[in-house]
Order: sequence, then structure tokens, then C-alpha cells
Amino acid sequence: AQSVTQLDSHVSVSEGTPVLLRCNYSSSYSPSLFWYVQHPNKGLQLLLKYTSAATLVKGINGFEAEFKKSETSFHLTKPSAHMSDAAEYFCVVIRMDSSYKLIFGSGTRLLVRP
Amino acid sequence: DADVTQTPRNRITKTGKRIMLECSQTKGHDRMYWYRQDPGLGLRLIYYSFDVKDINKGEISDGYSVSRQAQAKFSLSLESAIPNQTALYFCATSLGGLDTQYFGPGTRLTVL
Repeated sequence: AQSVTQLDSHVSVSEGTPVLLRCNYSSSYSPSLFWYVQHPNKGLQLLLKYTSAATLVKGINGFEAEFKKSETSFHLTKPSAHMSDAAEYFCVVIRMDSSYKLIFGSGTRLLVRP
Repeated sequence: DADVTQTPRNRITKTGKRIMLECSQTKGHDRMYWYRQDPGLGLRLIYYSFDVKDINKGEISDGYSVSRQAQAKFSLSLESAIPNQTALYFCATSLGGLDTQYFGPGTRLTVL
């Protein structure tokens, strides 16, 4: 079965400093992994996805994530945080059965301090 | 215009009332999904539909029903709402099983 674990429920950074949001996955198959972002009172927006092509995946708004099979990790990073990055971030894996449903982590709330 | 729309955006209702949440999409996708979001739990799948004639239960379907009226429309109903159905509800669509799911803006439902 597939699952994801987000290691931090809250992360606080100063504007202009790097962002690291951690995600570990469990999967019997080569996983398809995603990061989604949810801004307050907004729907979910796809940041990036990994589908077994390049292990370093670049997304929107300067975010990227690296798939590390040996560590079963898919951490999200950004070199320099912006105030507009404050949001909740979800690491997601697709269940590889007939449903192809998304399995969500519990979320990491990112706070960006001025 | 948004590709995936949900109505209403907010709803307050009382225990025992019947509620319908509607989702429409202009992306031309066959696959549609209903999720609910509760704090600290991420999103969980309620129902999903691969086309008008193919509807399937998700992991938390008890107390809910759905209707796929057309390729573009997928409605979620609560036949008799209860307080623990208070949550944020999202509709999503995708082209295929491994393709990106696109989410609507959500419906915040409060059951008193």
C-alpha cells in the first residue's frame, strides 16, 4: 500500500531564507508523487509532480523536490522564501489500484516571517 | 473562468437536513472525485467517477451519495446531515488515472 508522512506539521522561516518541507513515502511500486499547496480559503494547486523521469523535479514559484529512493523521501525546497509562500503544503502519492486516488499527507503549514 | 467550480462555497445547515453540493468542470475530463478535508487529516476520498455510468465508493462514503448527471457535472448529497460531516469539501477532475487532479475552490459545510 502507498502512504506518505509529512514530518513537520508547522515550519517557520524568515523571508529570504531557504524552505525545506519534508515528506517520506511508502510504496510497493515506483510511486507517482505530488506536492500541492493550499492558500487560505483557496483550493489546492499543484506545485510539482514526480513520475519516474528526472529525480529532481522543478515546479512553479521556484519550488523543487528531489526523489530519493534510497531514503524514500520527496522533500520540497525553495532557495528563498517569499511572504506569498505562506500556506499549507501537502505531499501526495497516487494509489496504484483501479481508483488511482490521491493519498494525502497530513499537511505542513508554512509560516513566513518578515 | 475557473475550470472546476463548486456551489455553494459556504453552507450552514441543521442536523437531519438534506444537502447537495455541486461540481462542474469545463476541462473535458472523464474522471471526477469528491474529497473532504478535516484539520490534520489531509484530504480523504468520498466517491469517484470514471464516467457517467461508472461511480465508485471511496474510503469514507457512509452517509454520502453522488450523482453524475453529465460528463461535466458531479453532485454530492448528504441525505441527513450530521455534525461530524462539518468539513471542507473538494471536487477534483483528471484526464486519466495517473494524470494531475485539478481541484475546485471547495465548499465549507457546517452542520449544526
